Amino acid sequence: DTAVSQTPKYLVTQMGNDKSIKCEQNLGHDTMYWYKQDSKKFLKIMFSYNNKELIINETVPNRFSPKSPDKAHLNLHINSLELGDSAVYFCASSQDSGTNTDTQYFGPGTRLTVL
Amino acid sequence: GEDVEQSLFLSVREGDSSVINCTYTDSSSTYLYWYKQEPGAGLQLLTYIFSNMDMKQDQRLTVLLNKKDKHLSLRIADTQTGDSAIYFCAERWGDYKLSFGAGTTVTVRA
Repeated sequence: DTAVSQTPKYLVTQMGNDKSIKCEQNLGHDTMYWYKQDSKKFLKIMFSYNNKELIINETVPNRFSPKSPDKAHLNLHINSLELGDSAVYFCASSQDSGTNTDTQYFGPGTRLTVL
Repeated sequence: GEDVEQSLFLSVREGDSSVINCTYTDSSSTYLYWYKQEPGAGLQLLTYIFSNMDMKQDQRLTVLLNKKDKHLSLRIADTQTGDSAIYFCAERWGDYKLSFGAGTTVTVRA
């Protein structure tokens, strides 16, 4: 009964390739997020979708393209992978950002290694 | 936001109390959170506090908030080996946005 799941858990690929990471939440939440955690463990938000609409798009290269086919899924596609894209990518979800706590629940992470 | 700072490392003896400190910059932050990340795992929400509260206690965890100084702390009583992890402080600012600190690595020694 995993609340927020991501696939794959590990991804090793060559520079220049295109890859996707998938995320699914079964919590019935309206909002989903992608975060990048670098080698120093620093977490930074990349994107957020609310009901399939993009609401946060931080300064991220346009090689990164999120796609939300429905509100339970938020996938991350990365084109022309670079060495600097190596990181752990976390998906998260929250009920909404209204007046409640907007507690975000995180997936287990996908460790991407670009060679 | 958006700057959240934490000390990077904390070593504590098993059975002692751990105190992890965090400072943030956005005075309009509504909620502040503590997350725990065990090796190779995702982030697990430990607790949160609303900005109009000074303290929140949840079993072995006590959160203290000094809004004037923008200082947040997490105290873990009777620290156990299973508490060894990285602890992230995060502040919510605006809608949808969380800013995280760099994480404090807590090592519990026997």
